[in-house]
Amino acid sequence: QSVLTQPPSVSAAPGQKVTISCSGSSSNIGNNYVSWYQQLPGTAPKLLIYENNKRPSGIPDRFSGSKSGTSATLGITGLQTGDEADYYCGTWDSSLSAGGWVFGGGTKLTVL
Amino acid sequence: QVQLQESGPGLVKPSQTLSLTCTVSGGSISSGSYYWSWIRQPAGKGLEWIGRIYTSGSTNYNPSLKSRVTISVDTSKNQFSLKLSSVTAADTAVYYCARDRIVVVPAASDYYYYYYMDVWGKGTTVTVSS
Repeated sequence: QSVLTQPPSVSAAPGQKVTISCSGSSSNIGNNYVSWYQQLPGTAPKLLIYENNKRPSGIPDRFSGSKSGTSATLGITGLQTGDEADYYCGTWDSSLSAGGWVFGGGTKLTVL
Repeated sequence: QVQLQESGPGLVKPSQTLSLTCTVSGGSISSGSYYWSWIRQPAGKGLEWIGRIYTSGSTNYNPSLKSRVTISVDTSKNQFSLKLSSVTAADTAVYYCARDRIVVVPAASDYYYYYYMDVWGKGTTVTVSS
């Protein structure tokens, strides 16, 4: 059972938009920045969004992030077949004895 | 461009100690702007953070693994390492190392610290089996 809650799967057609939610609590999302990671099949996770809504160099603006209270959302517009991947949210959790990273269980995106 | 590379045995016997090393290239592990983390992922499952280390040697561990984990750093070799003792089949996973960037935000009379993992290694598969 993951500390952060994500839907197991989402799907949409090419060109459409999809959102992936990530729900937590005041000890993690509520008081920390959220980052999102994309894991293409057979590869390592890759940073997609950091500090809730910032994109690293090279990440297209089709990807966006937002945070409100104890929840965060990843948005992807103009879906492409190459976006099919697992997406994970992550953040620091201050409730652990000395703090610790927590992740969502991951959301599998299917582009129909 | 900083790159991370995991290395170590791909097969470990039950009850023994899993040992992995992450070599950092293209940058210094002694930079004060980062922690250095270990994360694992069992086949078909999600990410689990194991722990991290700062260049000073200060560590944070996942409470669920803390009794079995030791993370160390060798700045002379630009490497950090993971040791996980008393392994069982449940420790079979892909193990990743990652750079854990520190964001410092000034507050009224203090500082807030936030983090994100901006560089990941390609991962190494470790199987626990006799």
